[in-house]
Amino acid sequence: QSVLTQPPSVSGAPGQRVTISCTGSSSNIGAGYDVHWYRQLPGTAPKVLIYANNIRPSAVTDRFSGSTSGTSASLAITDLQAEDEADYYCQSYDKTLSGWVFGGGTKLTVL
Amino acid sequence: QLQLQESGPGLVKPSETLSLTCAVSGGSINRSTYYWGWIRQPPGQGLEWIASMYYSGSTQYNPSLKSRVTIFVDTSKNQVSLKMTSVTAADTAVYFCTSHLGAYFAYWGQGALVTISS
Repeated sequence: QSVLTQPPSVSGAPGQRVTISCTGSSSNIGAGYDVHWYRQLPGTAPKVLIYANNIRPSAVTDRFSGSTSGTSASLAITDLQAEDEADYYCQSYDKTLSGWVFGGGTKLTVL
Repeated sequence: QLQLQESGPGLVKPSETLSLTCAVSGGSINRSTYYWGWIRQPPGQGLEWIASMYYSGSTQYNPSLKSRVTIFVDTSKNQVSLKMTSVTAADTAVYFCTSHLGAYFAYWGQGALVTISS
């Protein structure tokens, strides 16, 4: 049972826009702690996609964007492409646990 | 650019101690900017943060693992290590060495699969 809740899977056709939600609580996202997003390809380590809610590392395309509202966060992917198929994880900090927490992960399928 | 490389036994017997080492290159482990940490991923499952250590020596542990885990650094070798005692099959996972810039995990090793089995 992950502290942050993500849908197990989402899908979309090439060119479409999809969003992945990440729901937390007043102990993490709702407490103002930043949300970060990672993408993980099979057999590889996760890589940061978005940090501090909505900042993209320079190597990440602007098709990816992040946002937060209240106790939740979202990752949006526009102009969906086949290479976007991967597992996506959100991450934040939890003050009750005094540690870093992850969502359970969302598998994105490009139809 | 930091590079992290995990090493350790791929197979550990139940009830024994799991020991992993992460060699850090491209930067000093004493650098004040970074935390050093470990994250694991059981087969087919999600990510779980295990422990982190600041260059000053302060440590933070996942409460669910705290009683069995120790993270420490060897500055002479530029390495960060993890020890986990009394392992069970539930500890079978890929273990990632990470370096995080405060809140997020910026650098990751390739991961080391550790299987707990007799």
